[in-house]
Amino acid sequence: SQQGEEDPQALSIQEGENATMNCSYKTSINNLQWYRQNSGRGLVHLILIRSNEREKHSGRLRVTLDTSKKSSSLLITASRAADTASYFCATESGTYKYIFGTGTRLKVLA
Amino acid sequence: GAVVSQHPSRVICKSGTSVKIECRSLDFQATTMFWYRQFPKQSLMLMATSNEGSKATYEQGVEKDKFLINHASLTLSTLTVTSAHPEDSSFYICSARDRRQGRGEKLFFGSGTQLSVL
Repeated sequence: SQQGEEDPQALSIQEGENATMNCSYKTSINNLQWYRQNSGRGLVHLILIRSNEREKHSGRLRVTLDTSKKSSSLLITASRAADTASYFCATESGTYKYIFGTGTRLKVLA
Repeated sequence: GAVVSQHPSRVICKSGTSVKIECRSLDFQATTMFWYRQFPKQSLMLMATSNEGSKATYEQGVEKDKFLINHASLTLSTLTVTSAHPEDSSFYICSARDRRQGRGEKLFFGSGTQLSVL
């Protein structure tokens, strides 16, 4: 399977803490994206990082990409209860197909 | 932002019947639409890629006669689960690429369809 792996599978933190989740993938990529999914809903695009970029910020989100290790991390700072969701990385390798990682279920406790 | 409408959001059907799920891009033209299947607490598994005006490309292991995909226009793709069986019960999600410049890399998702086959 070409599916990426994410860890941890589940993460539970207190409101105000930072949450870090990691994604590893198997093939060379054009870009890597992070998506969020609330339970029973579709996915919402969070941030995109291209293969020639190493770090990107968007609000409370910080994404890093290490193409030599085929890995990426998503950091959510100052987490809120509303951040509770599943987070998926997705990679695109030039075929216009998006391969999703296994996901991290984040729970932020108020 | 781009909006993708998917319906129905939930459908319960009897074994042996067919179910059609619609995916519409409301404010943009979608060059490509993707259909995914998701089991509880698991990731999205790509089923097929749907291109307007041409046949869908199915992923390995996905039965094309079972999951019929039609992409008749730049704003509508449909997935029909034919002769549904309980093992077809799942969450099905569509997504679309926006052909407008600078937006083609992001995927915009429908809200999903929970299919339950009795």
